[in-house]
Amino acid sequence: NAGVTQTPKFRILKIGQSMTLQCAQDMNHNYMYWYRQDPGMGLKLIYYSVGAGITDKGEVPNGYNVSRSTTEDFPLRLELAAPSQTSVYFCASSLKYRVSGETQYFGPGTRLLVL
Amino acid sequence: EDKVVQSPLSLVVHEGDTVTLNCSYEVTNFRSLLWYKQEKKAPTFLFMLTSSGIEKKSGRLSSILDKKELFSILNITATQTGDSAVYLCAVEAGYGGATNKLIFGTGTLLAVQP
Repeated sequence: NAGVTQTPKFRILKIGQSMTLQCAQDMNHNYMYWYRQDPGMGLKLIYYSVGAGITDKGEVPNGYNVSRSTTEDFPLRLELAAPSQTSVYFCASSLKYRVSGETQYFGPGTRLLVL
Repeated sequence: EDKVVQSPLSLVVHEGDTVTLNCSYEVTNFRSLLWYKQEKKAPTFLFMLTSSGIEKKSGRLSSILDKKELFSILNITATQTGDSAVYLCAVEAGYGGATNKLIFGTGTLLAVQP
């Protein structure tokens, strides 16, 4: 299994541009999550999904959109990039929401710089 | 508002030292507390704690949870330079919906000098 994969690894955007961060998992996990991590900070949840066709907002959803058309893929869309969106973005997935010893599996991250 | 606070923010030690990292939380509908190690990329899972007073151990790392006082500690004995990383504490909270959420602390940056 490849686990959780993210593309691109790094991207520079100009203010106002749009882009999609890709995330895919091959573990047949129902639950998928997008986090952002600002320098020196913990991870903050942007959006999450409990299955294909179902998404919901996390702590910091403004400026982002998501879709979940398949179990495997959970892309994150930035419509009008702003400098405040400069961050490292992590995608994660989990099989169930609460199982003893369960945890979220994280992708390698996408580093985004908005200038 | 749910929050997770870690201390210290950063720590510099020498190889062989023992360190204790702290995590306190104020979360409604607590489910579990997790510790992660983050080097240059994604966080990697260390421990998941759900019950008070039961120590979890993996090699030189151990962790324990106190649900009465709302905190957890992560101990690393005989530190090595490879232990240098950011250690993240996260609390899993249930919101009554279909999924729980992880609330992360800001992390403790540990630097182990040779």
